[in-house]
Amino acid sequence: AQTVTQSQPEMSVQEAETVTLSCTYDTSESDYYLFWYKQPPSRQMILVIRQEAYKQQNATENRFSVNFQKAAKSFSLKISDSQLGDAAMYFCAYRENTGNQFYFGTGTSLTVIP
Amino acid sequence: GAVVSQHPSRVICKSGTSVKIECRSLDFQATTMFWYRQFPKKSLMLMATSNEGSKATYEQGVEKDKFLINHASLTLSTLTVTSAHPEDSSFYICSARDTLAGVIQYFGPGTRLLVL
Repeated sequence: AQTVTQSQPEMSVQEAETVTLSCTYDTSESDYYLFWYKQPPSRQMILVIRQEAYKQQNATENRFSVNFQKAAKSFSLKISDSQLGDAAMYFCAYRENTGNQFYFGTGTSLTVIP
Repeated sequence: GAVVSQHPSRVICKSGTSVKIECRSLDFQATTMFWYRQFPKKSLMLMATSNEGSKATYEQGVEKDKFLINHASLTLSTLTVTSAHPEDSSFYICSARDTLAGVIQYFGPGTRLLVL
């Protein structure tokens, strides 16, 4: 099975500041997908951003962007201009191109300080 | 975006009873749905992959006779926890993949099960 590692169990950021959440993964595949999901206190999983491994350009969604380093198997999430509503658990996930299964990291709990 | 619903959102039952949880894709067809279990402040643990019209594929360590999965239509999968015990208390989340749109999994809001 693939492994996804999030080495930061907890992170905090001042409101309006920038924070980066780390994720590394292990795979022998060359074609796959990476995701960041957010799980607020409601526990509804919400897709934040996704990256196709074949794309060199880093994905961006408004205040959220990724730093995808394929050779290093690293996929970090940058949240700019942090808002109180960004407080949540963030899960990094991996999916093979030909498979269905998602492999999730252990999550990072993000606190936003007013 | 696509919507997945789960019902009930929370349930309390007595030990020994069975509980059924429904997962529906509301605006897309889902050949494949997934059932996860999540303990407090932990990651999602995949229990099984539900395939429309065929048997579910269970992850290692998950008892198929304990957690019955039925995926009778392209929009509905059910998870039945049979003879529930307190250790089955958990948060259960389903997700579905849009058959026509590929990659993304859309998650339901989850069901909190408490077995007394």
